[in-house]
Amino acid sequence: AQTVTQSQPEMSVQEAETVTLSCTYDTSESNYYLFWYKQPPSRQMILVIRQEAYKQQNATENRFSVNFQKAAKSFSLKISDSQLGDTAMYFCAFMKQTNNNDMRFGAGTRLTVKP
Amino acid sequence: NAGVTQTPKFRILKIGQSMTLQCTQDMNHNYMYWYRQDPGMGLKLIYYSVGAGITDKGEVPNGYNVSRSTTEDFPLRLELAAPSQTSVYFCASSYLAIPEAFFGQGTRLTVV
Repeated sequence: AQTVTQSQPEMSVQEAETVTLSCTYDTSESNYYLFWYKQPPSRQMILVIRQEAYKQQNATENRFSVNFQKAAKSFSLKISDSQLGDTAMYFCAFMKQTNNNDMRFGAGTRLTVKP
Repeated sequence: NAGVTQTPKFRILKIGQSMTLQCTQDMNHNYMYWYRQDPGMGLKLIYYSVGAGITDKGEVPNGYNVSRSTTEDFPLRLELAAPSQTSVYFCASSYLAIPEAFFGQGTRLTVV
């Protein structure tokens, strides 16, 4: 079974600075996807960024980028120029690329951006 | 453009009561999922479905049942509610060709 571990329950960052959230995973699969989801107080789950395991290039979406280390099974999220609206729970997730698309989540990191 | 719709948004149940959480998606996704999120925790997979008529257990299926009679609908049934089922429940859907799960707004369930 796949497991996803987020070792930082809470983090904080000053507005406009950079913060990195950590995620490790365990799998025997070769083909899979990794995700970072954001959950603001509204409770809605919002996709932040996605990485395909077969791609060596790290995914980037505006101020959000990842450091994907496949051999180390590590998938960290870097948020640059942090904004107050980035305050939320962040979940790392793993999805098998098979016919069941099973998706598993980490326990989450609560990020607070301070003014 | 509704996406994934869950009803109700909030519910209080007494111990031993039954209820069905409804989930509908209008994106013609073949995969659908039910997750529960306990306070301060990540999402845990209860059940999932890869298409109409096909369902399978996730990590925490005990106390729940599902059915998938159509592509659009994936209801979650609680037969005998217990305090341990107090949680926020999320329905999600995805498509094989698009590796991303789309989530509903969640249902906050309290069992007293």
